[in-house]
Amino acid sequence: DAKTTQPTSMDCAEGRAANLPCNHSTISGNEYVYWYRQIHSQGPQYIIHGLKNNETNEMASLIITEDRKSSTLILPHATLRDTAVYYCIVSPAGVGSARQLTFGSGTQLTVLP
Amino acid sequence: EAGVTQSPTHLIKTRGQQATLRCSPISGHTSVYWYQQALGLGLQFLLWYDEGEERNRGNFPPRFSGRQFPNYSSELNVNALELEDSALYLCASSATPGQGAYGYTFGSGTRLTVV
Repeated sequence: DAKTTQPTSMDCAEGRAANLPCNHSTISGNEYVYWYRQIHSQGPQYIIHGLKNNETNEMASLIITEDRKSSTLILPHATLRDTAVYYCIVSPAGVGSARQLTFGSGTQLTVLP
Repeated sequence: EAGVTQSPTHLIKTRGQQATLRCSPISGHTSVYWYQQALGLGLQFLLWYDEGEERNRGNFPPRFSGRQFPNYSSELNVNALELEDSALYLCASSATPGQGAYGYTFGSGTRLTVV
């Protein structure tokens, strides 16, 4: 699986948009970008994923650059409950893709009141 | 729909003892993954079971072992416990190949403390 690089930590004011970057310059054509988050001492929670197009769901938006070498997770209106470690992961999808996820160090997002 | 359930929530063992951790996947999920998260560190992949078979294991010694039962639940065994085995052990499940990584659901974990 391709390696990802994320900033160690970020702060965001409550109510403002949180933009979390991720570099994945060695991503392969069949690899998706996935985002998970882990609130303190809980299991990681799936947020969103995408291949090449931008994606949006009820939790967040995912912007993937045209060359797919980087992406940004956007939490449009951050709340205190969004304080967590955010993991960017690249992994194949499709038949045969059920395999372990490789978690990096992630970004500790702290939402400030 | 019930999520991934892990038991026990907390476990305290003495160095040298054995620990057994249990995981029940989401109904219909056949793959179970185990991860170790030591305090302040990231998630380290331990073991992956699918259809009752061990499919892959991470860089852990053989005293970390497990199995998957016919009902797809799983058990992680840690023998000859060492102090550094103290960690949060997380279990995740996913459906058969094709669903991709968005299909991974994690449990809340078992906090193992070795004294």
